[in-house]
Amino acid sequence: DADVTQTPRNRITKTGKRIMLECSQTKGHDRMYWYRQDPGLGLRLIYYSFDVKDINKGEISDGYSVSRQAQAKFSLSLESAIPNQTALYFCATSDAGQGATGELFFGEGSRLTVL
Amino acid sequence: AQKVTQAQTEISVVEKEDVTLDCVYETRDTTYYLFWYKQPPSGELVFLIRRNSFDEQNEISGRYSWNFQKSTSSFNFTITASQVVDSAVYFCALSERGFKTIFGAGTRLFVKA
Repeated sequence: DADVTQTPRNRITKTGKRIMLECSQTKGHDRMYWYRQDPGLGLRLIYYSFDVKDINKGEISDGYSVSRQAQAKFSLSLESAIPNQTALYFCATSDAGQGATGELFFGEGSRLTVL
Repeated sequence: AQKVTQAQTEISVVEKEDVTLDCVYETRDTTYYLFWYKQPPSGELVFLIRRNSFDEQNEISGRYSWNFQKSTSSFNFTITASQVVDSAVYFCALSERGFKTIFGAGTRLFVKA
């Protein structure tokens, strides 16, 4: 089984619908991230969380919200999806502590299409 | 603020050619980490290498090599004798003190047989 699991892997929805992407990890990492990938723009950080009580906005948080339900779970929500949120979404984790380097461990991605 | 620039959007080479992917970064921190990730057509993100700001030693791993130069804020990646399987999108990334990591826009490499 993958260390970082994202569900769903693919989703097609309509404008205005609420969508939740879920991420769970078995790596025991405190830090979790949501990135969005668009062609030619690389991966852009949406939100990140350094522990259960810590949530931070990234570069492009507008239109998104997150919930850190437990150390192992970090969900991304689109309250009212719009077509320009069509993208590939990645969840990632990283280790914390003195030796932390920021090396990311990624899920397999969730492809979201908003019609 | 941190920033990563990969000026090459797409590169196309013929198999067995050498190819260098450029990465230029900006940071005000003295402690930072640089990474390269590969994204093959299947879509997953594969970690290739990590370098910390205190270690400018170049690294070679098989056909892959990395050249880190703080003087020019660059961390370039060279593939020697490229193969079709090297076709992918390659991302350079930067993390200040091991906190949030930001990525460049990526370079798409096409290797033709």
